Amino acid sequence: KAGVTQTPRYLIKTRGQQVTLSCSPISGHRSVSWYQQTPGQGLQFLFEYFSETQRNKGNFPGRFSGRQFSNSRSEMNVSTLELGDSALYLCASSLERRGTDTQYFGPGTRLTVL
Amino acid sequence: AQSVTQLGSHVSVSEGALVLLRCNYSSSVPPYLFWYVQYPNQGLQLLLKYTSAATLVKGINGFEAEFKKSETSFHLTKPSAHMSDAAEYFCAVSGNSGAGSYQLTFGKGTKLSVIP
Repeated sequence: KAGVTQTPRYLIKTRGQQVTLSCSPISGHRSVSWYQQTPGQGLQFLFEYFSETQRNKGNFPGRFSGRQFSNSRSEMNVSTLELGDSALYLCASSLERRGTDTQYFGPGTRLTVL
Repeated sequence: AQSVTQLGSHVSVSEGALVLLRCNYSSSVPPYLFWYVQYPNQGLQLLLKYTSAATLVKGINGFEAEFKKSETSFHLTKPSAHMSDAAEYFCAVSGNSGAGSYQLTFGKGTKLSVIP
């Protein structure tokens, strides 16, 4: 079974631009979560989607948004990019929404904001 | 609210030596605990997880962890380090953040170096 895929793998943008990242979960997985990883803050939860609805959101500004499609694929969008948005963005999928469910991670999209 | 503390941002061991990576958690409810490994330029790979069954959990690549409620710990061990174990390791706790949503809260990570 194919793993979680994320596109693109690398992105370079300038301040003020917007960006869209894509995530395809493992087939059959219905929950998709997004995390931001930076050297200073570590891994931080962004949001979780299940059945096309955002179920939970981390402590990030409204510039960070996302959505999930009927096939469980998810996108996240960051508008008005800031230098501090440079990070590795990780997508994870899980079968359901139980605490015991393993979240399987994709390789990430590395975003650099200049 | 839950939190995770990993003691030691960097750990160095000799090849063949015991690996011990420390993780302490804080959770108001019985926790679900995970260890993930991250190799350079890759995502996170699950090593093992504790879901309230056996307190000693065995994972992939010879790693295991023991859940100790009295010490609120979930330390990761491996009897004999291999060069291929050099990576960053993350401990995480899964807690119900409301509306039936479980999010992972991660520790800051421990970089493991293996000296030949």
